[in-house]
Amino acid sequence: EVQLVQSGAEVKKPGESLKISCKGSGYSFTSYWISWVRQMPGKGLEWMGKIDPSDSYTNYSPSFQGHVTISADRSISTAYLQWSSLKASDTAMYYCARSYSVNDPGDFWGQGTLITVSS
Amino acid sequence: EMVLTQSPGTLSLSPGERATLSCRASQSVRSSYLAWYQQKPGQAPRLLLYGAFSRATGIPDRFSGSGSGTDFTLTISRLEPEDIALYYCQHYGSSWTFGQGTKVEIK
Repeated sequence: EVQLVQSGAEVKKPGESLKISCKGSGYSFTSYWISWVRQMPGKGLEWMGKIDPSDSYTNYSPSFQGHVTISADRSISTAYLQWSSLKASDTAMYYCARSYSVNDPGDFWGQGTLITVSS
Repeated sequence: EMVLTQSPGTLSLSPGERATLSCRASQSVRSSYLAWYQQKPGQAPRLLLYGAFSRATGIPDRFSGSGSGTDFTLTISRLEPEDIALYYCQHYGSSWTFGQGTKVEIK
């Protein structure tokens, strides 16, 4: 059974750093790209970027380039999304999704990680 | 930059009725790289259709897609209560772009 299991909800303060995870199982992790998608409260879906876990090649949305870092550790079938300095505007649900190639849609999604940034 | 505009914003229908959701792209979609997702409250999005009209694994045949170029349509032939959700179109490729969504509710 294919699974993308994301790390749990986080409550952080502005300026703090954070790294959330997405662990794949039930399939060949290095055969699929992993994308990260943001959904702010009551809003739509925004693509942040994607990574090829086989070689860690990344492609970022211009809107998120420089604000987040996407990485992967293929030895433990896990992709990551990290911030060095959170802002209140980073409060959102974050989803990971896999796609078979760089030019495919997300055929399977993680359950989401809720990030709340508040002083 | 690709922009996807979905209409209507909200669709109110009775069970058994036909739902027609529209997605218009600001530029031609190459190779019909157009997908549709369903998102129920509190859940992650689920892929319904890709390549404009191909159903993803396990998707009932009451969901169908059509269109090419800049105009695409998702049709739910007979609305079921479990189809109440937000629906997003997506242009995919090396980057992804989503429409703003259409909410389908029961009248």
